[in-house]
Amino acid sequence: ELKVEQNPLFLSMQEGKNYTIYCNYSTTSDRLYWYRQDPGKSLESLFVLLSNGAVKQEGRLMASLDTKARLSTLHITAAVHDLSATYFCAVDRIQGAQKLVFGQGTRLTINP
Amino acid sequence: SAVISQKPSRDICQRGTSLTIQCQVDSQVTMMFWYRQQPGQSLTLIATANQGSEATYESGFVIDKFPISRPNLTFSTLTVSNMSPEDSSIYLCSVVWGVNQPQHFGDGTRLSIL
Repeated sequence: ELKVEQNPLFLSMQEGKNYTIYCNYSTTSDRLYWYRQDPGKSLESLFVLLSNGAVKQEGRLMASLDTKARLSTLHITAAVHDLSATYFCAVDRIQGAQKLVFGQGTRLTINP
Repeated sequence: SAVISQKPSRDICQRGTSLTIQCQVDSQVTMMFWYRQQPGQSLTLIATANQGSEATYESGFVIDKFPISRPNLTFSTLTVSNMSPEDSSIYLCSVVWGVNQPQHFGDGTRLSIL
């Protein structure tokens, strides 16, 4: 059974700082997705990582995938308040079938 | 960009009743899914809505409790049957437009059972 674990689950940080959210998963997969959820809102797709070594960047966020280590990271550079949200990683349980298993989510709070 | 409309956005229901949630997309999609997000929790996949055939349910979810229809490539419904307080959750539909594309989510239906 595929398990997806995020670390940390809660993160409070100051504006301007850098930090990394980790997403570990238990069985082989080469498809990993990152989503953002604002309070009371739905999920917004951030990144799709489809192969080992994949790296995607958008603004202050950068995501990477190491399929051998079964690890993805979401790195935040020079955080700003607008990035406060809950971030989820999700792994495709069956390649190409989009049977996603989500991590627990990381609730990120960025303080001015 | 394409629009995913989910109705109702929220509802308060009595235990023992059923509620049908609709998901309408303004363009044809390859896949449609239904998820549950319990308060403060992550998302759990309920089922894949298959066009013109029975949905494919994940472990722990059954058709009698969560019947799903998908009559065409742009519309699906999820019914939550014989509701109990444990069914209080947010129910979300999601769609995929193509291979290697991410899932895009509707705004969700916030359901409370009294």
